[in-house]
Amino acid sequence: NAGVTQTPKFQVLKTGQSMTLQCAQDMNHNSMYWYRQDPGMGLRLIYYSASEGTTDKGEVPNGYNVSRLNKREFSLRLESAAPSQTSVYFCASSENPSGIYEQYFGPGTRLTVT
Amino acid sequence: EDQVTQSPEALRLQEGESSSLNCSYTVSGLRGLFWYRQDPGKGPEFLFTLYSAGEEKEKERLKATLTKKESFLHITAPKPEDSATYLCAASGGYQKVTFGTGTKLQVIP
Repeated sequence: NAGVTQTPKFQVLKTGQSMTLQCAQDMNHNSMYWYRQDPGMGLRLIYYSASEGTTDKGEVPNGYNVSRLNKREFSLRLESAAPSQTSVYFCASSENPSGIYEQYFGPGTRLTVT
Repeated sequence: EDQVTQSPEALRLQEGESSSLNCSYTVSGLRGLFWYRQDPGKGPEFLFTLYSAGEEKEKERLKATLTKKESFLHITAPKPEDSATYLCAASGGYQKVTFGTGTKLQVIP
């Protein structure tokens, strides 16, 4: 099993450009998540999908949109990138969002916005 | 507001020198306490889940323990390959997982 996969691994954008980060999991998990990780701030939740067909905002959703394409895939879109969105983005999945199950993370996408 | 604080921020150990990492949490109604390992340039890798005070879990040189306010990750006789950042996260319920900022461990041969 590949676990959680993410594409691309690296991306450089100019301010105002748009892009979509892709994520897929093969563990048959119900819940999927998008986090950003910045130095000294820990992982912060952007959006999550508790189950196929549902999405909800996390702690820092402004400037992002998401799509739960099917049970396996969850994408994150930046419509108009800003330098403040320079970060490392991680996708994760878990059995469900009840809080008692661990999350499994992808390898990350390193995004720079100039 | 839920909070998770990890200490120290960085720890440098000689190979074989045992130590502990601390994770203090303020979460009402703890559902689970999670430990992850993160290598440079990679995503966090799940290590342990603890659910109630007094619980302990072990894996190779690592042992995680839980009290009502803190969790400790004990590293016994560490090796250079144990060098990584260790993250702690606490869950206060449905979709309420709070991550700490991590302890960066370096083990010197």
